[in-house]
Amino acid sequence: GQNIDQPTEMTATEGAIVQINCTYQTSGFNGLFWYQQHAGEAPTFLSYNVLDGLEEKGRFSSFLSRSKGYSYLLLKELQMKDSASYLCAFMDSNYQLIWGAGTKLIIKP
Amino acid sequence: ETGVTQTPRHLVMGMTNKKSLKCEQHLGHNAMYWYKQSAKKPLELMFVYSLEERVENNSVPSRFSPECPNSSHLFLHLHTLQPEDSALYLCASSQDLGGMYNEQFFGPGTRLTVL
Repeated sequence: GQNIDQPTEMTATEGAIVQINCTYQTSGFNGLFWYQQHAGEAPTFLSYNVLDGLEEKGRFSSFLSRSKGYSYLLLKELQMKDSASYLCAFMDSNYQLIWGAGTKLIIKP
Repeated sequence: ETGVTQTPRHLVMGMTNKKSLKCEQHLGHNAMYWYKQSAKKPLELMFVYSLEERVENNSVPSRFSPECPNSSHLFLHLHTLQPEDSALYLCASSQDLGGMYNEQFFGPGTRLTVL
C-alpha cells in the first residue's frame, strides 16, 4: 500500500532552524515535493527531490533518502512569515501526487 | 498570483441547490486537477484532466460532476450535496500529466459550506 506521514504541528523560535520530517511507503516513486500553504491561501511549490541527497534553495533545503522512505525540509533563519503549513507529497508510479496531512509550523518571537 | 484563478472564493449552499465552481489557468498548461481539502486531512485528489480528457476519477460521488471545455477552464458542478462535503476545493494545473517533474500550481480555492 501507500502511505505518507508527517508531524501535525511544530513550534520554533524566530531566527532558529527547524527540520520537518516526512516518511512514506510506496512501491512506485517518482519524486517528492514540498509545498507551503499559508492559512486561507493556495499551496505554493517549495522543492522537488527525485535523487538522494540535499537540495538547497536559499533559507530552505530539502533532503531525500529513497532507501529509507524519508525526506525532510530544513528552514534556516526562521522569520515570522514562515508560519504556515508545510505539505509533503510523493509522486507515485501513475504520476499522481499522494499528500501528507501537512505540518503546521508556529513561529514565536 | 500563481496564474490559476478560482471563482467563487466562498460559497454557501443548501443540500438541494445546484452550483458550479470555476477554475481558469493562464499558464498554457495541459493538465488540470480538482482537490478537496478538509481540516487536518491530506489533500484528496478528485479529478484529473489532461488535454481536456478525464484521466482519473478517484471514486468521487456522482453529486460532483466535472467539466473541462478546453485546456484553460475546469468546472466542478455540484448538486444535492451533503454537509460533510463542506471543505476547501482547490484547482491546480501542471504543464503535463506525466514525466518526472510535475510541479502543480494551485488556485486560491473555493471555501464551500453545505447547510
